Amino acid sequence: DQQVKQNSPSLSVQEGRISILNCDYTNSMFDYFLWYKKYPAEGPTFLISISSIKDKNEDGRFTVFLNKSAKHLSLHIVPSQPGDSAVYFCAASGRGATNKLIFGTGTLLAVQP
Amino acid sequence: SAVISQKPSRDICQRGTSLTIQCQVDSQVTMMFWYRQQPGQSLTLIATANQGSEATYESGFVIDKFPISRPNLTFSTLTVSNMSPEDSSIYLCSVGWQTGELFFGEGSRLTVL
Repeated sequence: DQQVKQNSPSLSVQEGRISILNCDYTNSMFDYFLWYKKYPAEGPTFLISISSIKDKNEDGRFTVFLNKSAKHLSLHIVPSQPGDSAVYFCAASGRGATNKLIFGTGTLLAVQP
Repeated sequence: SAVISQKPSRDICQRGTSLTIQCQVDSQVTMMFWYRQQPGQSLTLIATANQGSEATYESGFVIDKFPISRPNLTFSTLTVSNMSPEDSSIYLCSVGWQTGELFFGEGSRLTVL
């Protein structure tokens, strides 16, 4: 049972445009959500997170939106840059399970120059 | 964040052998975790490495197959025992922050022939 789902395995965007990566979850006990970026031959790098008490968190070019009623979160990258090309994973954890992250299957983002 | 070093970065092993992966952190951390990423799949938590006591394994993972040591607050090892081709994966060490984020090492890419 995949509790965290990223239904788009890949996404291609033009440089300078917005990239929107989506993630759905099924477990209503999740209360903390994170996005990671992964380049080939490297470990995942933490990007941004959001607590369930918020619906938006912004950090520079990266914004995460959380819609609890829809059990959906999204990562917006604007403007997209070629260096953003990587696999993006969303992850979630629940109360009493801090740091025990459940990951989605990832979305490969390609930003075209 | 923390600097997390893993050794080896990659290895090719024969079926039936065992391999130990080392993880060194540049600061003392309470929470250390081992994840696996099988080809084309998401990151799956294998176990929590507890300092001074036995590791806590997730469903589907057992100590006989994946023995873990955690002798102090900066070091841990994961052994993949009696390997088969299905064990070909990237194995990732991670450390947890009190805020909920995980930081990852670069991973150890294991190929079993």
